[in-house]
Amino acid sequence: EAGVAQSPRYKIIEKRQSVAFWCNPISGHATLYWYQQILGQGPKLLIQFQNNGVVDDSQLPKDRFSAERLKGVDSTLKIQPAKLEDSAVYLCASSSRDTNFYGYTFGSGTRLTVV
Amino acid sequence: RKEVEQDPGPFNVPEGATVAFNCTYSNSASQSFFWYRQDCRKEPKLLMSVYSSGNEDGRFTAQLNRASQYISLLIRDSKLSDSATYLCAVNPNFGNEKLTFGTGTRLTIIP
Repeated sequence: EAGVAQSPRYKIIEKRQSVAFWCNPISGHATLYWYQQILGQGPKLLIQFQNNGVVDDSQLPKDRFSAERLKGVDSTLKIQPAKLEDSAVYLCASSSRDTNFYGYTFGSGTRLTVV
Repeated sequence: RKEVEQDPGPFNVPEGATVAFNCTYSNSASQSFFWYRQDCRKEPKLLMSVYSSGNEDGRFTAQLNRASQYISLLIRDSKLSDSATYLCAVNPNFGNEKLTFGTGTRLTIIP
């Protein structure tokens, strides 16, 4: 099966600019996750969707970050305005509740550099 | 206390040696446990699940100790290609597949 697709692979923006990332999960996977991985740290969950509803966004900085999954398939994550500390890799993953949970697969990520 | 804690290392180990990592978790109700491998500038990739009975995949053995709330990963006969960061991941909620990750342990195998 095709994996999780993300774009763009890299993005460099100036602070206070806005940026958006896109994710297309594995076909049929109802749950989609956005993680932020800062250099030297483990991935941190930003938001979890179940179909098009938000399950957990407790660690999403809502003053500047937003995410949507309007049709329950692909998703976008937006940062506006960006800060230097937002420089990180943004990883998307998906999972299905129809099968036993064996962990999930990440997309290749979007590496964001804020200058 | 962090939900999931790992020794960040780095671990520098000669080729052929055995190396072990531990990872502790704070939520005693955690349900599922995993080890991921992450190569430099790549996404984390699932290495193996961790079961109560322990599981083995070639040179890799993962174990779960629920009483002490830690999981371990043992790598035998280490290869140069094992150099990577190893992340443990814990699913803290039954019915929710969210994973919480540790900071990762960096392993370098030395020729």
